[in-house]
Amino acid sequence: DIQMTQSPSSLSASIGDRVTITCRASQSISSYLNWYQQKPGKDPKLLIYAVSSLQSGVPSRFSGSESGTDFTLTISGLQPEDFATYYCQQSFRTPYTFGQGTKMEIK
Amino acid sequence: QLQLQESGPGLVKPSETLSLTCTVSGGSITTRTYYWDWIRQAPGKGLEWIGTIYYRGSPDYNPTLKSRVTISVDTSKNQFSLKLTSVTAADTAVYYCARRGSSWGQYIWFDPWGQGTLVTVSS
Repeated sequence: DIQMTQSPSSLSASIGDRVTITCRASQSISSYLNWYQQKPGKDPKLLIYAVSSLQSGVPSRFSGSESGTDFTLTISGLQPEDFATYYCQQSFRTPYTFGQGTKMEIK
Repeated sequence: QLQLQESGPGLVKPSETLSLTCTVSGGSITTRTYYWDWIRQAPGKGLEWIGTIYYRGSPDYNPTLKSRVTISVDTSKNQFSLKLTSVTAADTAVYYCARRGSSWGQYIWFDPWGQGTLVTVSS
């Protein structure tokens, strides 16, 4: 299976901050990388697919990029509704696998 | 707007079979470009892909669960289902159903998801 490793596992940030979450794949996955946001007690929401394509309705403060097997989710100008847990997911090969999550909390 | 809703028992005894159904509304399960998936999340843990099915069949499963999992589809009811046999406490999780789509015919994603249903394995 392709292992997805996220860092950090948790972070504290303030409203208006720019934050970055990294996801590393255990092997090359080309651009088959998605990001999801999950709030407590809710289902995950698709934010970004294919590394950098924003899902319809997702604010433009969310962006994604890649460098080899490292992928980055950036949130520019944190809003109160952005405090949640974020997961990366590879869709290069089954079984599709997710990162362990990054929990973002208010500082 | 497409919506998915999981249903089934919230409590299953060890060694028995977990059975869940996902009802799709606001769209047809026979739409050609979509697959239908199950994903679970153990309490306080990450997400684990269970498997997928197309409306014409041809399921695909996570190898770690393959010997115990069956996913089927009922197009007449616009539903798909999950069966997991010989459950243990390790199968306690929130089970989500989700639509699997793709962009440009290759980049697969899950959206939307059902709200999830907690299944507890306990005697």
